[in-house]
Amino acid sequence: ELKVEQNPLFLSMQEGKNYTIYCNYSTTSDRLYWYRQDPGKSLESLFVLLSNGAVKQEGRLMASLDTKARLSTLHITAAVHDLSATYFCAVGDSNYQLIWGAGTKLIIKP
Amino acid sequence: DSGVTQTPKHLITATGQRVTLRCSPRSGDLSVYWYQQSLDQGLQFLIQYYNGEERAKGNILERFSAQQFPDLHSELNLSSLELGDSALYFCASSFGGGNTGELFFGEGSRLTVL
Repeated sequence: ELKVEQNPLFLSMQEGKNYTIYCNYSTTSDRLYWYRQDPGKSLESLFVLLSNGAVKQEGRLMASLDTKARLSTLHITAAVHDLSATYFCAVGDSNYQLIWGAGTKLIIKP
Repeated sequence: DSGVTQTPKHLITATGQRVTLRCSPRSGDLSVYWYQQSLDQGLQFLIQYYNGEERAKGNILERFSAQQFPDLHSELNLSSLELGDSALYFCASSFGGGNTGELFFGEGSRLTVL
C-alpha cells in the first residue's frame, strides 16, 4: 500500500529566505503532483512530475522528482508573502489512484 | 477557473437532515472525484466515477452515496447528517479513468451541520 509523507507539516519562515518541502512515498511510482491551497479555497495544480529526474520551475517554486529515492522536493527561493498557503503532494499508485500527503502549511512573514 | 462547477457553495443544515451536492466536470472530462476536507485537515478521498460507473471507493461512509449521470455531472448525497460531517466537499475531474493526469478541482461546497 502506497503511503505518502510530507514534511514539515508546518513551516513559518521569513520573506527572502529559501526552504524546501519534502514528499516521501513508500512504493514505486513515477507520477507525482504538487498542489497549492489557499485557506478555504480550491486546490490549484502547480506541477506534474512524470519521470525520474523531472524538474519543473514556476517563479520562485521549483519541484523535482527522484523516483529511485522515492522523493520529491518543492523548493522555495527568496520567499514572498504571497506564497503563504498549504502545499500538498499527491502520488499515483499502481491502481492509478492518487494518494495524498497531509499537506504542508507554509506561513511567510514579512 | 478550473472549469469544474460545484453547487451550492455554502449549505447550512441540521443534524439528521439530507443534502445533495452537485458537480459538473470540465468539458471533456470523464472522471469525477469527490473529496472531503475537514477544518485544518488533509484531503479524504471519498469516491470516483468514470463515465457513469463507480471506479474507486475511498473512505466514504454508508450514509453517503454518489452517482454520475449520462451528462457526466455528479451528485454526492449525504444523509442522516452529523455534526462531524461539517466540512468542505470538493469535486475534481480528469479526462481518464485511471489518473495519469492532474486533477482539476472545483471551488468546493462548504457544509455546516448544526
